[in-house]
Amino acid sequence: GENVEQHPSTLSVQEGDSAVIKCTYSDSASNYFPWYKQELGKRPQLIIDIRSNVGEKKDQRIAVTLNKTAKHFSLHITETQPEDSAVYFCAASGGGDSGGYQKVTFGIGTKLQVIP
Amino acid sequence: NAGVTQTPKFQVLKTGQSMTLQCAQDMNHNSMYWYRQDPGMGLRLIYYSASEGTTDKGEVPNGYNVSRLNKREFSLRLESAAPSQTSVYFCASSESGTGELFFGEGSRLTVL
Repeated sequence: GENVEQHPSTLSVQEGDSAVIKCTYSDSASNYFPWYKQELGKRPQLIIDIRSNVGEKKDQRIAVTLNKTAKHFSLHITETQPEDSAVYFCAASGGGDSGGYQKVTFGIGTKLQVIP
Repeated sequence: NAGVTQTPKFQVLKTGQSMTLQCAQDMNHNSMYWYRQDPGMGLRLIYYSASEGTTDKGEVPNGYNVSRLNKREFSLRLESAAPSQTSVYFCASSESGTGELFFGEGSRLTVL
């Protein structure tokens, strides 16, 4: 099955600096790579995703890059703000399954702390 | 539009007791999931239902059973709770099996 590795597990940055979180995956058939943000005590929520037919996607201060050859993808947050403090999860899905369902495998999460 | 609703939010059980976590979604999604979240282990899939009438095991199904009651509802049952099942449980749904997951607020279960 799919295996997703995520690092670092914790990350502290000064407000205004950039933060980068990296993930690798094992199944070359995976084709959908979402990122979820989970604030303390809250539910995970999708912040950005990328599919395997593109290499980069941006949404304001957030960007995700994908390197299918190397099987890794990264989340970039620029001009970090205190409200960016949260746990971020990468995930990968694809590879096919019965009925077209594609299991989503999550990384272990990165706790980001933005220091004011 | 409530999204994904799960109950209860908190529960304390003694070893060997049983309980059912309820989940309902009002987005007309086909696929529903149960995850557990433990520190340092991310979100691990317990069971999923790709569509109404089907259920399949995920990564960590032992000790759990599920029922897809109808398109809206997907319940998770612990028949004989064990301390290792102490966790935060999240129900989620998606329109198909290939896109965004919408999570419920989570249920914190403690087994003594």
